[in-house]
Amino acid sequence: ETGVTQSPTHLIKTRGQQVTLRCSSQSGHNTVSWYQQALGQGPQFIFQYYREEENGRGNFPPRFSGLQFPNYSSELNVNALELDDSALYLCASTKDAFYGYTFGSGTRLTVV
Amino acid sequence: QQQVKQSPQSLIVQKGGISIINCAYENTAFDYFPWYQQFPGKGPALLIAIRPDVSEKKEGRFTISFNKSAKQFSLHIMDSQPGDSATYFCAASITSGSARQLTFGSGTQLTVLP
Repeated sequence: ETGVTQSPTHLIKTRGQQVTLRCSSQSGHNTVSWYQQALGQGPQFIFQYYREEENGRGNFPPRFSGLQFPNYSSELNVNALELDDSALYLCASTKDAFYGYTFGSGTRLTVV
Repeated sequence: QQQVKQSPQSLIVQKGGISIINCAYENTAFDYFPWYQQFPGKGPALLIAIRPDVSEKKEGRFTISFNKSAKQFSLHIMDSQPGDSATYFCAASITSGSARQLTFGSGTQLTVLP
């Protein structure tokens, strides 16, 4: 098992720009979730993808969007970046969503 | 309704001591309660988890105690070691629409002194 890998590890963007973060899920995992972790806080659920369809979303605006590909890898896209979007973005995958997820190490996004 | 409250925010324990972290929730629809351990620069890693029909679960030095009527649960780390120094998050899981959603507490930074 290779685990969940995310890229890039760090990213600096300017307010108003757009960003794409990538995630390769663990082998055999067909469900991917994305979480935002602000400094000193617990992760917050953004959305979940199952079989290439978004099947759940947290309290995040539409400028946060995503994709899941046939190989179950995933992207998180954020448009019109705001300073408050600065956070660690975590991707998590599972093959049985009831029992929990394997998290990647995250992408640290800084918006200046 | 979706909040999970965690305490303390930070905890310092001597090597060999017991670390105790507490969490409380409001939404009785939560049906699975995992604990995650996070080291700096890493994502959270599942440590141990419990279902609400069980009052206690033990795995090695880690024990979850669950009080369904009080809507509280806690993590006990026995014989705490310096390698246990990390941030610990309690979480509660719920099905929202077709998705499983984790709601995390705010975290406890544990330091185990040698």
